[in-house]
Amino acid sequence: KAGVTQTPRYLIKTRGQQVTLSCSPISGHRSVSWYQQTPGQGLQFLFEYFSETQRNKGNFPGRFSGRQFSNSRSEMNVSTLELGDSALYLCASSPGGGVSNQPQHFGDGTRLSIL
Amino acid sequence: QKEVEQNSGPLSVPEGAIASLNCTYSDRVSQSFFWYRQYSGKSPELIMSIYSNGDKEDGRFTAQLNKASQYVSLLIRDSQPSDSATYLCAVKGAGTASKLTFGTGTRLQVTL
Repeated sequence: KAGVTQTPRYLIKTRGQQVTLSCSPISGHRSVSWYQQTPGQGLQFLFEYFSETQRNKGNFPGRFSGRQFSNSRSEMNVSTLELGDSALYLCASSPGGGVSNQPQHFGDGTRLSIL
Repeated sequence: QKEVEQNSGPLSVPEGAIASLNCTYSDRVSQSFFWYRQYSGKSPELIMSIYSNGDKEDGRFTAQLNKASQYVSLLIRDSQPSDSATYLCAVKGAGTASKLTFGTGTRLQVTL
């Protein structure tokens, strides 16, 4: 069974640009969560999508947005990039739905560097 | 008060010893508890899940949960240098809409 796939693996952008990251969950998983990981802050929750609906949202500015498609694939967008957005962005999937206590499984992440 | 607290370490143990990693959480209605291992430059990897009070063993790993004390721990027996990594404790509340909250992790160093 294929794991969670994130693309691209590495990305370099400049301040003010925007970026879109992609995540394909494990087959059959309907919940996709996004996290930002930085050395100082650890893993910070961005948002969770289930059945194309945002089910939960962390404390990030509106520049961070996401969506989920009918095949459960998800994208995350960051607009007007700032230096502080440099981080490892992780996507995790779980079955979701009524099986709410199942663990999340992570992709390899996208390392975003802002110049 | 942080929702999930872990000692950042580093926790240094000699090879073959038992490593004990601890985690406390603030939300009393938390239902699900997970331990992830993260090697430097890699993504978190699930090690253990535990849902009810007591111990759960899987190979060299034992997770312990005490909901009354809001405390969860991970024991690693016969520690190996390959166990050197950051261990993340994660806690999830009740209900399908509750989010998974991570601690900042404990860095474990297993010395030869």
